[in-house]
Formats: sequence, C-alpha cells, structure tokens
Amino acid sequence: RKEVEQDPGPFNVPEGATVAFNCTYSNSASQSFFWYRQDCRKEPKLLMSVYSSGNEDGRFTAQLNRASQYISLLIRDSKLSDSATYLCVVIPGNQFYFGTGTSLTVIP
Amino acid sequence: NAGVTQTPKFQVLKTGQSMTLQCAQDMNHEYMSWYRQDPGMGLRLIHYSVGAGITDQGEVPNGYNVSRSTTEDFPLRLLSAAPSQTSVYFCASRVENTDTQYFGPGTRLTVL
Repeated sequence: RKEVEQDPGPFNVPEGATVAFNCTYSNSASQSFFWYRQDCRKEPKLLMSVYSSGNEDGRFTAQLNRASQYISLLIRDSKLSDSATYLCVVIPGNQFYFGTGTSLTVIP
Repeated sequence: NAGVTQTPKFQVLKTGQSMTLQCAQDMNHEYMSWYRQDPGMGLRLIHYSVGAGITDQGEVPNGYNVSRSTTEDFPLRLLSAAPSQTSVYFCASRVENTDTQYFGPGTRLTVL
C-alpha cells in the first residue's frame, strides 16, 4: 500500500473559483504534513505546513484529519498564477513521502 | 546563497554507461537527499545522508551509489545506466530535525 495517495486530477477551474484537493496517508504514526507546489519542469517548493488545528495563508487553507488520515488544501478565489501541480507530503519518520501530485489549471 | 545546485541540467546516456550527477548546497544543511520523479509515480527517495560520512538507502536505491565526503556535496552515481533510470532527478537539503526541504533545479536524464 502506498504511503500517500493523491487524486492526480487534472482540475480545470475558472478564475475566482474555489478548489479543494485531498490526500490520504497510510501510516497513522505520521507526524508532519506539508503541501508543496511544483511548476512545470521546475523543482517542488514548500507551499505550507499542515497542522492539526488547520492553518490559513491568504487564500490557501490546509487541514489535517487524523481520524480519517487525510490532509486537504483549499484554494479560494483562484488566480491564473495558481496553475501548477500540488504535492502532498507526509513524514512518518525521517523520510519524506510525496504524493503523485494534483494538477491544477486556472482558466481565464 | 546559491541554495541547492545540480549539474548537469540535461544528460543523455547509452545503456551501460556510468555517470555522476552532482549536487551541492551552501546552506550548511546536514540532511541531503536524492529523489527521482517519474510520471504517475511522484517523487521517490533514492538515497539520503544525515551528515558527512553517513548515507542510507531510500525507497528505490538499486542501481545508484552515493557518498558524502563533505557537508556541501552529495553526488549520485549511476553505475551502469538502464532505460528504466530515465527520469528527472532532484537533490534536496534541509537542516536536520526541521521539515522544510529545499530542492535543486533537477537533472533530466535520458538513457537510450
């Protein structure tokens, strides 16, 4: 069973829309969770951490549901510049486990 | 700071050839890792190092060797390239016991 499962999409949404991605993880002992953003043919970059209490950074909200073992990312008021692949990351020990990524395209 | 640098950016090899992908970081990070990224597979950990002289295997280590003689450098060696090693390779570094990982720009490798 994969450590991390993520819906690959693609998600095509109009500007201004709200879109949500989910990611499930298999190791209940996982302690740290993140969302990374990867632009086409570029390296992944940290978008935000995910905490049990949830956290918000501008138009982005990340949440963790330990009982159901999933993390989510909500993007409000989508901008063209949000078009990218979003990778969830789970750290059950000392290693990072990446999801396969969800592709988002924001359409004018 | 240059951050994490990787060379070369692109490489084409023939089956059976060997080569070394270079990775360097100037942030004095103890922890360095090599990943490969394939379509539909996400990033998979090849090898990692928690400090100079210490390396360990990740999820997909077969066909690759690493060494860590200095804090700054973490080269990845392909011993005998195979078409299955065609991929994008990312090097990353972080401070141990922190969770923010910094990636290099990647090396796009094709093995014919």
